[in-house]
Amino acid sequence: DGGITQSPKYLFRKEGQNVTLSCEQNLNHDAMYWYRQDPGQGLRLIYYSQIVNDFQKGDIAEGYSVSREKKESFPLTVTSAQKNPTAFYLCASSTTSISVRQFFGPGTRLTVL
Amino acid sequence: AQKVTQAQTEISVVEKEDVTLDCVYETRDTTYYLFWYKQPPSGELVFLIRRNSFDEQNEISGRYSWNFQKSTSSFNFTITASQVVDSAVYFCALRHNQFYFGTGTSLTVIP
Repeated sequence: DGGITQSPKYLFRKEGQNVTLSCEQNLNHDAMYWYRQDPGQGLRLIYYSQIVNDFQKGDIAEGYSVSREKKESFPLTVTSAQKNPTAFYLCASSTTSISVRQFFGPGTRLTVL
Repeated sequence: AQKVTQAQTEISVVEKEDVTLDCVYETRDTTYYLFWYKQPPSGELVFLIRRNSFDEQNEISGRYSWNFQKSTSSFNFTITASQVVDSAVYFCALRHNQFYFGTGTSLTVIP
């Protein structure tokens, strides 16, 4: 089945540690996205990539980094510079055609202790 | 500038009541797409509907219906005879080149 996988579902880290969230898609989509969602809040765009080896900052990129070495993969690293990293992180993908919706992964809930 | 506004932050209804979730958007583009997603407590966003800017026909799918009006830049979502399983956060989104999401409406259906 085609789709997006994010692992793990729940992640716990100590304060000051970097952590990488995985996102893989087998939909052959060019574009991939990372969103952050805080309790009771909407989706905020962290980073997006429309092609391999290229990515752009979203609205809240500070304290995060990404890479896009393969079309299928778009990992997100939450660095120690992110002041409040505890949140729910959603990965999405789409084609570059504006008629196509975003497909979302199941999300990773990150808790920093 | 593109923008999506969902003014209703939280709504509570009693089961079997009808409920309408509002979505107002702003764009200067003539070609764009509108979407609704449902986010149940599990967290994953579930796609509900897509509508392009040239198609103002209303859509009905079971208990769900959508009313798209370009004159008022609105794309409202109605659930008829609500059920407890409809409890979720609902997001409206606009796409021209990028995606723009509203802040979501949290719907609670009380049994």
